[in-house]
Amino acid sequence: DTGVSQDPRHKITKRGQNVTFRCDPISEHNRLYWYRQTLGQGPEFLTYFQNEAQLEKSRLLSDRFSAERPKGSFSTLEIQRTEQGDSAMYLCASSLGSGVNTGELFFGEGSRLTVL
Amino acid sequence: AQSVTQLGSHVSVSEGALVLLRCNYSSSVPPYLFWYVQYPNQGLQLLLKYTSAATLVKGINGFEAEFKKSETSFHLTKPSAHMSDAAEYFCAVSETGANSKLTFGKGITLSVRP
Repeated sequence: DTGVSQDPRHKITKRGQNVTFRCDPISEHNRLYWYRQTLGQGPEFLTYFQNEAQLEKSRLLSDRFSAERPKGSFSTLEIQRTEQGDSAMYLCASSLGSGVNTGELFFGEGSRLTVL
Repeated sequence: AQSVTQLGSHVSVSEGALVLLRCNYSSSVPPYLFWYVQYPNQGLQLLLKYTSAATLVKGINGFEAEFKKSETSFHLTKPSAHMSDAAEYFCAVSETGANSKLTFGKGITLSVRP
């Protein structure tokens, strides 16, 4: 399977703990996106990378959130000192970028976070 | 800033009936518009997209959508619903240019009755 993969698929943690999610995009895709989805809502944009450069961060992304894509391939999203409000599905997507492929994002199945 | 409005959270149709899912957008520049579908326990997948070519766009599984600039709408239709169409549908907008960040609507759950 050469789609976008995310790990772990489910994470249950206690408030105050740190968690890290990993995303492996489709290999030839230079853009990688993180979204967050809560029940009854559409995905909300968090941040995106072009190759290893983080080009935009949403105001939703507090200082407790950090994302990296060190070699322009896989990416990690870390949440420090988790809060119950962080409970959500974290979605990763990748794309070829601009031009005719603009907006054609390929999504992983998501990493569900539950903060107790 | 770009935004998408999907009125209502749930639509129920009978198998074989017309499917109509509404989407209105707001964008300060010519938009790209998309419909994504999410089946239970699966990731979102692209159903169709409008990128300023033909205003009537055909997608997978018999779905199509029409871009109407005067109405700022991009409604999704399918002439005859099938049980397998039951899923959550998201409309999304992206402003043209190098940044392909998508802004999604809240989504509509489609149920299909036998």
